[in-house]
Amino acid sequence: GESVGLHLPTLSVQEGDNSIINCAYSNSASDYFIWYKQESGKGPQFIIDIRSNMDKRQGQRVTVLLNKTVKHLSLQIAATQPGDSAVYFCAEGGGDFTGGGNKLTFGTGTQLKVEL
Amino acid sequence: DAGVIQSPRHEVTEMGQEVTLRCKPISGHNSLFWYRQTMMRGLELLIYFNNNVPIDDSGMPEDRFSAKMPNASFSTLKIQPSEPRDSAVYFCASSSKSLNQPQHFGDGTRLSIL
Repeated sequence: GESVGLHLPTLSVQEGDNSIINCAYSNSASDYFIWYKQESGKGPQFIIDIRSNMDKRQGQRVTVLLNKTVKHLSLQIAATQPGDSAVYFCAEGGGDFTGGGNKLTFGTGTQLKVEL
Repeated sequence: DAGVIQSPRHEVTEMGQEVTLRCKPISGHNSLFWYRQTMMRGLELLIYFNNNVPIDDSGMPEDRFSAKMPNASFSTLKIQPSEPRDSAVYFCASSSKSLNQPQHFGDGTRLSIL
């Protein structure tokens, strides 16, 4: 039969514009959230994290917003650059630390394309 | 500081052969995770260790897959015998033992089974 791969949502933005990547998480008990960036041929790279006792956290050119009421996470990238082109993953964790280790559940990812 | 180191970066072998993937976690991290990434299924957690002890191997596809962590600085993922459907990129990640810490990934092993 025909094989079907994951269909990654794609966000195309112009260089210099702001980008917003959204993520819906599934576990209401999750209390730790991370955004990763994955470039072609590389492993996911940590960008920014946020704990559930916060609604917003800022880094260099990036901001993560957390809305626990609707289980929604977003990543905002200011003044998007060509080097920001990559697949972005959200991940949720915490909630159950009984086994030890910081186990994460990853979303399917969003492809960000920056147009010159 | 050195990140997570995986070897080999690429592996091409014929079906039926044994494949061994290697990982050196970040020094001081005591949690280690093995993932598989494919276009079909995305990023899947296979197994993870805490203090060298396997905690959750529910993601291991079948008995052909096995993983070991003989010490805090080394882990292997073995496939025996390998099959074409095992072709994927395999990632290793590590994190510190403190609660709510990010995992840090290696650059993966791209495995092709012919």
